[in-house]
Amino acid sequence: AQKVTQAQTEISVVEKEDVTLDCVYETRDTTYYLFWYKQPPSGELVFLIRRNSFDEQNEISGRYSWNFQKSTSSFNFTITASQVVDSAVYFCALRDSNYQLIWGAGTKLIIKP
Amino acid sequence: KAGVTQTPRYLIKTRGQQVTLSCSPISGHRSVSWYQQTPGQGLQFLFEYFSETQRNKGNFPGRFSGRQFSNSRSEMNVSTLELGDSALYLCASSLGGEDYNTEAFFGQGTRLTVV
Repeated sequence: AQKVTQAQTEISVVEKEDVTLDCVYETRDTTYYLFWYKQPPSGELVFLIRRNSFDEQNEISGRYSWNFQKSTSSFNFTITASQVVDSAVYFCALRDSNYQLIWGAGTKLIIKP
Repeated sequence: KAGVTQTPRYLIKTRGQQVTLSCSPISGHRSVSWYQQTPGQGLQFLFEYFSETQRNKGNFPGRFSGRQFSNSRSEMNVSTLELGDSALYLCASSLGGEDYNTEAFFGQGTRLTVV
């Protein structure tokens, strides 16, 4: 069965600190896709990144970076030099051959000024 | 390009009533998915429509139904509302097709409160 685990319910850091959000997934499929979304207080889920199961290269986009490791079934997300505007709930999700997105419980990130 | 539009944004209904929520996907997107988000259960998949056909369905009772029109717009309906149906209902739009790797773009959601 597919499952996504985000063990960190809430993380609170001071602005400019680096922070890593963990995501561990389970699936029996060999082809699958992993996603990260951000949900600010307005409620809309904002797409951040997609990664397929055949591409284990890490990705960096500005202050954001993602570390995908198939050996540990993890897809972790790091924000470097965090800013108050990064405060939101972050979700990791998995999509395999069933088309639907399976979501983690989310990590609430609080960045204090 | 316009984003995903969900209407209405807020709804208050009484137990036992029914409700219809609407979603207009991004132009050119043929897949529409619906999700329920609650503090207790998190984000849960309701169903997905592609080219007017329901392609996948989550574990929700039959009171939850949906449909998709030829212009890809979608509606979901909840009949005989219960207090536990209070939630944020999110609609997601994607290109669809057999390729399931495309990212989904979400609307701002409809916040339903059942009293």
